[in-house]
Amino acid sequence: QVQLVQSGSELKKPGASVKVSCKLSGYTFTTYAMHWVRQAPGQGLEWMGWINGYTRNPTYGQGFAGRFVLSLDTSLRTAYLQISSLKADDTAVYFCATSGTILSPFDYWGQGTLVTVSS
Amino acid sequence: QSALTQPPSASGSPGQSVTISCTGTSSDVGGYNYVSWYQHHPGKAPKLMIYEVSKRPSGVPDRFSGSKSDNTASLTVSGLQAEDEANYYCTSYAGSNSLVFGGGTKLTVL
Repeated sequence: QVQLVQSGSELKKPGASVKVSCKLSGYTFTTYAMHWVRQAPGQGLEWMGWINGYTRNPTYGQGFAGRFVLSLDTSLRTAYLQISSLKADDTAVYFCATSGTILSPFDYWGQGTLVTVSS
Repeated sequence: QSALTQPPSASGSPGQSVTISCTGTSSDVGGYNYVSWYQHHPGKAPKLMIYEVSKRPSGVPDRFSGSKSDNTASLTVSGLQAEDEANYYCTSYAGSNSLVFGGGTKLTVL
């Protein structure tokens, strides 16, 4: 049974950094894509980017280069989303999701991680 | 790439059909047959309803169907049921290993 388990909620001050994890289990394929999707309060889903599970090469969506870093520990099958210089409008639920390739639909999702940025 | 355009809301009575549109450009929706639709109930993980424009994953009722014409994809829900009330999002491959979401449509079953 495939599962994506994300780390717990975070409360951070503006200017701080946060690292959200997403552990993949039960996925038998050696190649996969790990995506990150943001949902700000009252807003829709927004694709942030993806990381190739085989090459570990990240690709960032528009507006998500710079302060956002996607990484992957293949031995732990854990993906990470790190956000630096946090701002109030980074407050959102962050989801990880897998697909077979960049052209494949998201087949499994994590439960979401709420990151709250507040002074 | 800009977000795909969806109507903010749609509604229908039980048993009726409703169609939600998703408009992009020739660089995304119009250029590729990699449009997916997700159903999202708040507080839960989104669920895949349609992929590759019109394919339905196992377990998704055949009341859900997808199509595409030029730069606009559509999701049709026939025989509306109360449990269909949710937010629906389209996504499309947008070239250069990137994806784009639509703004989302809140479907209300009256």
